[in-house]
Amino acid sequence: DAKTTQPTSMDCAEGRAANLPCNHSTISGNEYVYWYRQIHSQGPQYIIHGLKNNETNEMASLIITEDRKSSTLILPHATLRDTAVYYCIVRVETSYDKVIFGPGTSLSVIP
Amino acid sequence: NAGVTQTPKFRILKIGQSMTLQCTQDMNHNYMYWYRQDPGMGLKLIYYSVGAGITDKGEVPNGYNVSRSTTEDFPLRLELAAPSQTSVYFCASSWSVERNTIYFGEGSWLTVV
Repeated sequence: DAKTTQPTSMDCAEGRAANLPCNHSTISGNEYVYWYRQIHSQGPQYIIHGLKNNETNEMASLIITEDRKSSTLILPHATLRDTAVYYCIVRVETSYDKVIFGPGTSLSVIP
Repeated sequence: NAGVTQTPKFRILKIGQSMTLQCTQDMNHNYMYWYRQDPGMGLKLIYYSVGAGITDKGEVPNGYNVSRSTTEDFPLRLELAAPSQTSVYFCASSWSVERNTIYFGEGSWLTVV
């Protein structure tokens, strides 16, 4: 089973920040938090990942709580092209395990 | 870089027919995966492989077979196709060290009638 829980769906106004939460209360010390997104009919795309420090790249920011039991993906200025399903998964950086995706959060960016 | 390439992109099968979905990656990744995604649903892991000659079952392996004779290729075989196998199939790969980012192919749309 997936080790994360996310809201089923969210809306965000175009140009505003989209904050997508993820709970991973059973995360282990060596497990990273990864975020992917899937735009309709396409293969999922990597966004960002982190262990315990906050991370930022050209696509998004990742905020991980101090106890590491939850995280938030932030899209700072959402556009219509950010409408997609966002998946949060946890896994060890160099693991041999199978990768299970949960249902994710369907984000709709509203004009 | 081509990344992960899947063929065919679209296929219609009759019930009981067999076929192979091809997947190849040019990134020298050790890990490869096959997922299926039914309309409006999430990704389900079918099979995965941690290297040439090593494969293992995922969440929904029934009705499928895989092989991994080379690092680059990870074909998915459907035997005796059934309507329940109508889905979009995604192949993916990732490195074994440094970063475990998963790279996905563009998908193969399969309809069984």
